Order: sequence, then structure tokens, then C-alpha cells
Amino acid sequence: DGGITQSPKYLFRKEGQNVTLSCEQNLNHDAMYWYRQDPGQGLRLIYYSQIVNDFQKGDIAEGYSVSREKKESFPLTVTSAQKNPTAFYLCASSVIGERYGYTFGSGTRLTVV
Amino acid sequence: AQSVTQPDIHITVSEGASLELRCNYSYGATPYLFWYVQSPGQGLQLLLKYFSGDTLVQGIKGFEAEFKRSQSSFNLRKPSVHWSDAAEYFCAVDRARGAGSYQLTFGKGTKLSVIP
Repeated sequence: DGGITQSPKYLFRKEGQNVTLSCEQNLNHDAMYWYRQDPGQGLRLIYYSQIVNDFQKGDIAEGYSVSREKKESFPLTVTSAQKNPTAFYLCASSVIGERYGYTFGSGTRLTVV
Repeated sequence: AQSVTQPDIHITVSEGASLELRCNYSYGATPYLFWYVQSPGQGLQLLLKYFSGDTLVQGIKGFEAEFKRSQSSFNLRKPSVHWSDAAEYFCAVDRARGAGSYQLTFGKGTKLSVIP
């Protein structure tokens, strides 16, 4: 079955360390997205990509970086510059130009101690 | 700027009671509207979507939503709530970012608790 896989589900890191969250999809979607979710804040867009080797900043990109070397993969790196990295991170994908909503992964909960 | 408001942070209903979750949007053009549901620690699942046509749309799990342009609302309803409906619900509107690209803007969510 097609879908989006995020790994790991839980991630613990020490403050000051960079950490990379994985997102892989086999839906043949061109567009991929990273959202951050905090209690009571809804979902906020970090980065998105519509094509391989190209990506754009979302609303809260500071302290994050991404790459899109393959259509299927869109990893997110939370850098030490992110002041408040503990959160639930969601990856999503969609077909470009089709306004039919997104398919979401099951998320990664990152805790920085 | 496009935005989505969900006025209710938390709603509690008894099992078997009816449910209405409110969503108001701000959008300059014809909106594409969505409702998603999220169980704790999980991703979001699409419940239903509205593009055009009939203003009452049916979704999965017995949910429906009504689009009211005059009120800029897209409220989610269910006639009889089941305990398994306890979750967080997000309303979303897509917004144009140019070059045929659209991104979803989400409300802050409404958490639904169900009393047995």
C-alpha cells in the first residue's frame, strides 16, 4: 500500500546536537511538506518542496534545514540553532496543482533534553 | 492573509449526542476547505473536503460539513457521537503560493472528549 513513512516515531537528543528526521513516500507525489505541531498551536509549515533539488521556506524555517535529493525522500534536520526543538513533527505529501489535500505520515516526536 | 479560526479549543459531549465543531475562514477567493482528524500521537486523516457545488458534504466515519459562504464557515457535524470519535479535529483551507502551488493553512484544532 502507498503511504508516507516517518522514522523514528520517538527521538531523544541532547541540547546542542543536530538531529535528522526521516520522511519517505511511495505515492509518487511531487510535493512534500514538513509541519511542526505544538499543543494549542495547530500545524505550522516549516519547509516544502515541489520538485527534486528545490525547496522553499515555510512560516517557521529558522533553525531547520531540508534536502530533496530524491522524489521519495524529504529529510528534515533540526539544528542546534532551533531554540525550542521539542515538538511533534509531521511530514505530508500531495500532487502539485491538485487541491485535494495532503497525505500525512504518523509523525515523529522529538524531545531535546 | 488567509486564515482559519476554530473558536472552541475543547469540547466535551456524551456518547450518542450530536456534535458540531465550528470553523471560520478568511480567504479572498473560492476556498477549498478540509477537515482532518488526529488521534493522539498519530498523523492527520482526511475526513472530508469541499471544493464547489453542494454545500453539504459527506465524509468518512459518519461526519458531514456545511459550507456557508455568507458566514465564512465550514462547520463539522455528526448526528450521534461514538466514544471512538474522541480526537483532535483540524479545519484547513488551502492558500495559493504561486505557480500553481497551494499549501494548507490549519486552524489550531478542537479537542473532542466523549463521555461514556
